[in-house]
Amino acid sequence: EAGVAQSPRYKIIEKRQSVAFWCNPISGHATLYWYQQILGQGPKLLIQFQNNGVVDDSQLPKDRFSAERLKGVDSTLKIQPAKLEDSAVYLCASSRSGTDSYEQYFGPGTRLTVT
Amino acid sequence: AQRVTQPEKLLSVFKGAPVELKCNYSYSGSPELFWYVQYSRQRLQLLLRHISRESIKGFTADLNKGETSFHLKKPFAQEEDSAMYYCALLRAGNMLTFGGGTRLMVKP
Repeated sequence: EAGVAQSPRYKIIEKRQSVAFWCNPISGHATLYWYQQILGQGPKLLIQFQNNGVVDDSQLPKDRFSAERLKGVDSTLKIQPAKLEDSAVYLCASSRSGTDSYEQYFGPGTRLTVT
Repeated sequence: AQRVTQPEKLLSVFKGAPVELKCNYSYSGSPELFWYVQYSRQRLQLLLRHISRESIKGFTADLNKGETSFHLKKPFAQEEDSAMYYCALLRAGNMLTFGGGTRLMVKP
């Protein structure tokens, strides 16, 4: 099966600019996750979708971050406006439903640099 | 609140030496723990799950609820084991909390 796809792979923007990341999960995976991984740290969950509904977004800084998964497949994560501390790798992951739902499959990530 | 701690940022061993990557957790419920691995230029992927009690690539991990630990062990390290290792705790709703990671370097 094809893996989780993300684009772009790299992005450099200036602070106060906007940026959007795209994720296409593995076909048939109902659950989609966005993580933020700051250099030297482990991934931190930002938001989890089940189909096109939000399961948890308690760690998403909603004043500047937004995410959507309109048709229950692809998802976009947006930052507007960006701050220096948003520099990180943004990882998308997906998982099946049911008994195998514990395993998350990760994309290659988007490395964001805010200058 | 749940937390996962990996006290070592870097662990360097020689090929053939035993390896132990430490992981401690805090969680009020019944924990379900995992080890994820990221090899150079590859994606983060699941290595093993404590419930399965399997040995994957020679690695094992035992959940010790008394010590709230889930250390990853391998008796004889190989150069291809060099990677970033993340301990993770699964909480309600299939949400993962990751530790900070340990970089394992296996020297020839």
